[in-house]
Amino acid sequence: GQNIDQPTEMTATEGAIVQINCTYQTSGFNGLFWYQQHAGEAPTFLSYNVLDGLEEKGRFSSFLSRSKGYSYLLLKELQMKDSASYLCAAYTGFQKLVFGTGTRLLVSP
Amino acid sequence: DAGVIQSPRHEVTEMGQEVTLRCKPISGHDYLFWYRQTMMRGLELLIYFNNNVPIDDSGMPEDRFSAKMPNASFSTLKIQPSEPRDSAVYFCASSWGAGAGQVVRGYTFGSGTRLTVV
Repeated sequence: GQNIDQPTEMTATEGAIVQINCTYQTSGFNGLFWYQQHAGEAPTFLSYNVLDGLEEKGRFSSFLSRSKGYSYLLLKELQMKDSASYLCAAYTGFQKLVFGTGTRLLVSP
Repeated sequence: DAGVIQSPRHEVTEMGQEVTLRCKPISGHDYLFWYRQTMMRGLELLIYFNNNVPIDDSGMPEDRFSAKMPNASFSTLKIQPSEPRDSAVYFCASSWGAGAGQVVRGYTFGSGTRLTVV
């Protein structure tokens, strides 16, 4: 079976740091994607982790532990425009991505 | 590049009617995916194609759903007859998969079609 778990909603303050966790159990695993989706828009690519460890890209970082079936997305220096849903997706092979239901992040002033 | 183009952006139809959603993938991409997004279930893969051939349609809910890809630049998802529970946002996405490295950016999604069946 395929199971991707992430919190439904999180809130944070502008300028703060927030960590969005994702756990996965999939039949086949070749990497972990994070997408950002603003309300009413398409998901857009944020990061992709294949190996264990932290990948940093500006204000956003993503971490993967394959042995624990765990990933997180770290957002620093939060801005109002970061209010969006963040989707965790496991790449299970053969070009297939299995998505979680997403975490809605609300950033307040 | 214009990206993945979907039409229509919004569709409101009555139960029992036929609905056709359209997608034009990014030129050169050899994979095309149809997803459905709802609050309860998130993004669900319905079907995907490689070089215009359906590879996996195990996510298609039932026989009322069908998808075609007659050529590399066009695909349709048809629902006949439509039901209220089909109301969702339907996304088309494309990618190229020449090798593992080509997956690094994942998919490019279209803007979606918001379907409401009343």
